[in-house]
Amino acid sequence: SAVISQKPSRDICQRGTSLTIQCQVDSQVTMMFWYRQQPGQSLTLIATANQGSEATYESGFVIDKFPISRPNLTFSTLTVSNMSPEDSSIYLCSVAETGTVYFGPGTRLTVT
Amino acid sequence: GNSVTQMEGPVTLSEEAFLTINCTYTATGYPSLFWYVQYPGEGLQLLLKATKADDKGSNKGFEATYRKETTSFHLEKGSVQVSDSAVYFCALSDHDDYKLSFGAGTTVTVRA
Repeated sequence: SAVISQKPSRDICQRGTSLTIQCQVDSQVTMMFWYRQQPGQSLTLIATANQGSEATYESGFVIDKFPISRPNLTFSTLTVSNMSPEDSSIYLCSVAETGTVYFGPGTRLTVT
Repeated sequence: GNSVTQMEGPVTLSEEAFLTINCTYTATGYPSLFWYVQYPGEGLQLLLKATKADDKGSNKGFEATYRKETTSFHLEKGSVQVSDSAVYFCALSDHDDYKLSFGAGTTVTVRA
């Protein structure tokens, strides 16, 4: 299975600022996704990161708030923009490979 | 759209007890079904999966059978251990897009 790493693993940020999260995969994958897990909640899909084109966002998520880059088949970034305390969550990168979806370790974000 | 309804927790058991976590789903078509596990302080790991009706997924003593007639994918383990204490998530995806819809998660605590 693909090995996924994320940076940073955690961060504490001031409201109004932005944070960019990096996701690196050890093999080329076509399908890469970003999820959010709010405190004590389940996971919600934010968007599909498409290589060479704009990301596809799920209902309730917009590009201005969560811009995503996917410059190649092994790397993606998610930016959380103009943060508020409600953005405090774990953000997870995931990839689909051989019919299964695998997850990175997550980035724990706290907004104060 | 797709949705997953999962037995609410928390669930507390003694070691060697039998564990069942109920999961039912709503989907158009024939989704793939998954159980993921999140151990304390760790990332989300795939526990088992099934991709078509009557398939049984199994791993680490856990089993779940894809029941199309009852749209269910209940997780079972015959004899739990303290190390099985974790949050368990049921999830589904359409075969083609690998976008996961998650249940709410069930927290399981096993006491020695």
